[in-house]
Amino acid sequence: DGGITQSPKYLFRKEGQNVTLSCEQNLNHDAMYWYRQDPGQGLRLIYYSQIVNDFQKGDIAEGYSVSREKKESFPLTVTSAQKNPTAFYLCASSPDGRGAYGYTFGSGTRLTVV
Amino acid sequence: DAKTTQPNSMESNEEEPVHLPCNHSTISGTDYIHWYRQLPSQGPEYVIHGLTSNVNNRMASLAIAEDRKSSTLILHRATLRDAAVYYCILPHLNAGNNRKLIWGLGTSLAVNP
Repeated sequence: DGGITQSPKYLFRKEGQNVTLSCEQNLNHDAMYWYRQDPGQGLRLIYYSQIVNDFQKGDIAEGYSVSREKKESFPLTVTSAQKNPTAFYLCASSPDGRGAYGYTFGSGTRLTVV
Repeated sequence: DAKTTQPNSMESNEEEPVHLPCNHSTISGTDYIHWYRQLPSQGPEYVIHGLTSNVNNRMASLAIAEDRKSSTLILHRATLRDAAVYYCILPHLNAGNNRKLIWGLGTSLAVNP
């Protein structure tokens, strides 16, 4: 079945460490997105990519980095510069970025700083 | 950026219809209206989307006002599994000719047995 796979499901990071969250899709979608969700809040956009080798900052990109070397993959690195990284991270994809089609979400990665 | 407004919470009884409203008065002509729902600690699940006409699928119906400034998600017979946070969002085309989703806090739907 086609879908989005996020890994790991749970991730623990020590202060000062960089960690990379994986997002892979086999839906042949052009556009991919990373969101952060904090308790009791809506999703906030970190980065998005509408095509391979291109990505744009979202509303809260500071302390994060991404790459889009392959259509299927859009990994997110949470750097030590992100002061409050503990959150639920969600990856999504869509056939294009126009919104004419639905968006598919992964099951999320819960990152905790210890 | 186009913004949506939804009630914080709603309550329904099992097997009754539920109408979840959303206001999006700043919607532009090319913005689609999307609805998603989310269970705790899970990713959002696509429910339905539309542009101008009312839409139906196996999960729900979407009624869009004629002026497109509001819409209503209709669950025809609520079940306990429909208890979730429902988000109404607009993939908005911004000045940089890129689209992004603007998420509000959604409506938390409780379904009573």
